[in-house]
Formats: sequence, structure tokens, C-alpha cells
Amino acid sequence: AAGVIQSPRHLIKEKRETATLKCYPIPRHDTVYWYQQGPGQDPQFLISFYEKMQSDKGSIPDRFSAQQFSDYHSELNMSSLELGDSALYFCASSFILGEQYFGPGTRLTVT
Amino acid sequence: DQQVKQNSPSLSVQEGRISILNCDYTNSMFDYFLWYKKYPAEGPTFLISISSIKDKNEDGRFTVFLNKSAKHLSLHIVPSQPGDSAVYFCAASANYGGATNKLIFGTGTLLAVQP
Repeated sequence: AAGVIQSPRHLIKEKRETATLKCYPIPRHDTVYWYQQGPGQDPQFLISFYEKMQSDKGSIPDRFSAQQFSDYHSELNMSSLELGDSALYFCASSFILGEQYFGPGTRLTVT
Repeated sequence: DQQVKQNSPSLSVQEGRISILNCDYTNSMFDYFLWYKKYPAEGPTFLISISSIKDKNEDGRFTVFLNKSAKHLSLHIVPSQPGDSAVYFCAASANYGGATNKLIFGTGTLLAVQP
């Protein structure tokens, strides 16, 4: 069965650079969620989209923005990167309010 | 403020025995609970869920029990297999039936099943 696809899987950036993470949800899923997992921490909710509209917002820095496109894929844009942004970034998708299925994650390293 | 807590960072169990992973929560608005399994360098894999209108849900070797009065849930795996060795996250959401169901995760329990 098709799963959530995230790209890239690994990304290395320098401080103050920008990064764009992409997420392709499971077909027919209409909701996308973004989570950030720091080293040794549990995943923290960043933002979600339902039918291409932002549906909820968590602890997402103002330097980050995201959107969901007409084909339901989503992109997380991160600017002015800081060392503390180094983390695993997971995307999850669900159909309406069903179980969330996670992608493999993007490991972002900021040097 | 950790709203979902897994007080056991690790658990070791013999193959074939029962594994019991525990989770406590503080927010009485949570009405939907899930368990995820996670291997290193992979995304969490959904295992089983339960809504607050139930106190038990079973799927094969996995059973989740919910005690709303104690704000406690547990995941039972029986029989445990070496392939079950992973980090298990408990997660909760509120506003079931609303516009969103963002997940609040616990800190995880590392389960090691010994052959």
C-alpha cells in the first residue's frame, strides 16, 4: 500500500540558510500534519492542513511557513535556520479525522 | 508541561511473554488515544487506537485498555516477539469530531524483547 512520502530524507544546511521539506500524503487523504522531533524528544506538532486550508497551528516558529497544494502535497519552508532547528521532521496524513500515518521523516542538520 | 507521560523509559521482556506499556495523561479533553511503534531513522508506525467511549480495543496481538477515571491507558502485546523491539509512543488528541486532531505524544518507552 502507498505510504506517506517525504523528501529529501536528509538535508544539511548552514545557519541562516533556508530549507524546503516536501510531503506527499497517502492517496485520498485530505489532512496533512507536520511534527518536529528533536534529539531524545517526543514528536511535537507544528501545523496541519485540511483540504488545503490551515486547520491548526502548534509550536511553529514564525520563521517557518507551510502550505498544502491542490494535489494535497505539502511543503514546509524554513528560513533563517538556527542550530536548534536540527531535528527529524515528520509529515503525517489522515483521511478526515482518522488515524495519522507517518512518513519516514526528513533529518535536517544545521551547521 | 507534559500532558502525556510514559513513566517507563525502557522495558525488557522475554519472548513469548506479555509486554505491558503504560501511559498517563492529564488533559481531560483528550478523547482519542493511539499507540505508535518507532524504529530508529523511521517514522512512527500506527499500531492501534481507542476512543474515549470504549475501554478496550483489540487487534491481533495488541490490546489497548483505557481507564478514563484514572486517565491511564496501557498497551498489551501478547505474545511478545523479538521483532516487537522498538520505541513505543502513546499519543492523544482532543476535539474528536472537530476540525483537527493534532497528536500530543508521550516520551516513549523502549521495549526490548529477549529471545
